[in-house]
Amino acid sequence: EPEVTQTPSHQVTQMGQEVILRCVPISNHLYFYWYRQILGQKVEFLVSFYNNEISEKSEIFDDQFSVERPDGSNFTLKIRSTKLEDSAMYFCASSASTGGGYEQYFGPGTRLTVT
Amino acid sequence: AQSVAQPEDQVNVAEGNPLTVKCTYSVSGNPYLFWYVQYPNRGLQFLLKYITGDNLVKGSYGFEAEFNKSQTSFHLKKPSALVSDSALYFCAVTRGSTLGRLYFGRGTQLTVWP
Repeated sequence: EPEVTQTPSHQVTQMGQEVILRCVPISNHLYFYWYRQILGQKVEFLVSFYNNEISEKSEIFDDQFSVERPDGSNFTLKIRSTKLEDSAMYFCASSASTGGGYEQYFGPGTRLTVT
Repeated sequence: AQSVAQPEDQVNVAEGNPLTVKCTYSVSGNPYLFWYVQYPNRGLQFLLKYITGDNLVKGSYGFEAEFNKSQTSFHLKKPSALVSDSALYFCAVTRGSTLGRLYFGRGTQLTVWP
């Protein structure tokens, strides 16, 4: 069964450093998402991406964040200058379509620790 | 604003007994509702969804959920729990008109003891 994969599984970085989290969505999916979960809190939506542009972003997704689909398979989330409060589990997801009726398939997550 | 509440942080049941994991939601417009399960060190796995039609939806691993519009609930159920069902369960909602953004509950840790 096709899966969403994410690398690395765990990233430790110092405050102020840039990090790139990588995801390989399911190959025939067209819609891509990033979510995050701070320890003990809800899974929160960050951004959705379709046709090489952002479809929707949350209030969390400020200028420090960016997303890119650099080739036909990868989908990345970049945090330009990490803060302590960026420490969280970051989940990538993809879906075949959207409009709300299509389930999203999630990767295993990248645990980001900012020190 | 859209939101989901899972009123129980933990649910404990004995193997073979029925289980219920509760979820209520608040959404403007028609809700699309989902249940996901997370096992340790794994991503969120899709279990089932309600879009329209029959209020009782069946999903993977013998789980089912009942959509109740008047109570704005979407409780997850299974007639006979297995130890292997022990995991973290998330309820999520999106509006039919949105671009798929999911709003999640905090999750409920289900423990099934032998």
